[in-house]
Amino acid sequence: EAGVAQSPRYKIIEKRQSVAFWCNPISGHATLYWYQQILGQGPKLLIQFQNNGVVDDSQLPKDRFSAERLKGVDSTLKIQPAKLEDSAVYLCASSLGATNEKLFFGSGTQLSVL
Amino acid sequence: AQSVTQPDIHITVSEGASLELRCNYSYGATPYLFWYVQSPGQGLQLLLKYFSGDTLVQGIKGFEAEFKRSQSSFNLRKPSVHWSDAAEYFCVLNTNAGKSTFGDGTTLTVKP
Repeated sequence: EAGVAQSPRYKIIEKRQSVAFWCNPISGHATLYWYQQILGQGPKLLIQFQNNGVVDDSQLPKDRFSAERLKGVDSTLKIQPAKLEDSAVYLCASSLGATNEKLFFGSGTQLSVL
Repeated sequence: AQSVTQPDIHITVSEGASLELRCNYSYGATPYLFWYVQSPGQGLQLLLKYFSGDTLVQGIKGFEAEFKRSQSSFNLRKPSVHWSDAAEYFCVLNTNAGKSTFGDGTTLTVKP
């Protein structure tokens, strides 16, 4: 079974530039999550999708972050413009769909903002 | 609001020794609790989960955890640690609505 795919693996940008991350969840998984993991901290949920609808985006900095999940499959997370404090690993996870199910995580995208 | 505390940032144990990683939570209802492991270069993987019922839960790789409501704890244990267990471990609390809160993790180093 293929896992959660994320790209790119690494990204280095300068502040005020824009960046986009891509995630392809496990086939058939209805729920998709984006997490931000700052060095030394646990992952923090940015946004949760159920199919192509947003379930929770309460911790997404909407002035600079945006995410979409077209057709309820792949998802992209965008940051525009990036700030130094956005340097982190961005993790994508998926689950079959019911609440409190096991999450399957991708390997993440490590973002460095200079 | 819910919270998860992992008091130990870093733990070092010798191979073959027993292990206990602490997790304390704060939540006004019965929580759903998980332990995930993050090995170098790999994604987070579920070790075990507690939803209800038996307070001692068994997981993969020989790990177990015990839910203690009176202490608001969900500590992870393993009787004999292997070098491959070196990783970062996260305790996670989910609310009834499925909102997850991660602890800040405990890094485990295994000495030969």
